[in-house]
Amino acid sequence: DGGITQSPKYLFRKEGQNVTLSCEQNLNHDAMYWYRQDPGQGLRLIYYSQIVNDFQKGDIAEGYSVSREKKESFPLTVTSAQKNPTAFYLCASSIVSGPTRNQPQHFGDGTRLSIL
Amino acid sequence: GEDVEQSLFLSVREGDSSVINCTYTDSSSTYLYWYKQEPGAGLQLLTYIFSNMDMKQDQRLTVLLNKKDKHLSLRIADTQTGDSAIYFCAEIYGGTSYGKLTFGQGTILTVHP
Repeated sequence: DGGITQSPKYLFRKEGQNVTLSCEQNLNHDAMYWYRQDPGQGLRLIYYSQIVNDFQKGDIAEGYSVSREKKESFPLTVTSAQKNPTAFYLCASSIVSGPTRNQPQHFGDGTRLSIL
Repeated sequence: GEDVEQSLFLSVREGDSSVINCTYTDSSSTYLYWYKQEPGAGLQLLTYIFSNMDMKQDQRLTVLLNKKDKHLSLRIADTQTGDSAIYFCAEIYGGTSYGKLTFGQGTILTVHP
């Protein structure tokens, strides 16, 4: 079955430590996205990538970094510069097509990051 | 900039209809989406509507779009306890070169037996 796999499901970070969240998709989608979700809030875009070896900052990129070396993979690193990293992180992917960019985004099951 | 607003809570009895409302500000929106999120899970795409449509029906789900008032609603007929979840509306902002989704805060739907 095609889908988006995020791992791990739960992750704990110590103060001053970088951690990397994994996102893999086998949908052959061109675009991939990382969102952060906090209680009572909608999703906020961290980074997105429309093509391999290219990515752009979203609305809240500070303290985060990404790479897109393969079409299937878009890992997110939460660096020690991110002072409030406790949140639910969601990865998504979509087809990029046409001027309307109308293809819906499909989501993984998320990774919950907590600070020790 | 674009903004999407939803009421935070909705409580209904099993078997009743649920109506979840959403307003948006971006007049250049092309597609509007409804997603469902169950506890501890990712978002599941429920349905979407193109901005030149007024209504879309898909089994128990009916989406109504009032483009003049920038108001979107999701009606769930014969609501079941399994429909309890957070529902997000989202729009694609037509002003960027890629399909950026802007989400509302989410409406927590609670269905009572």
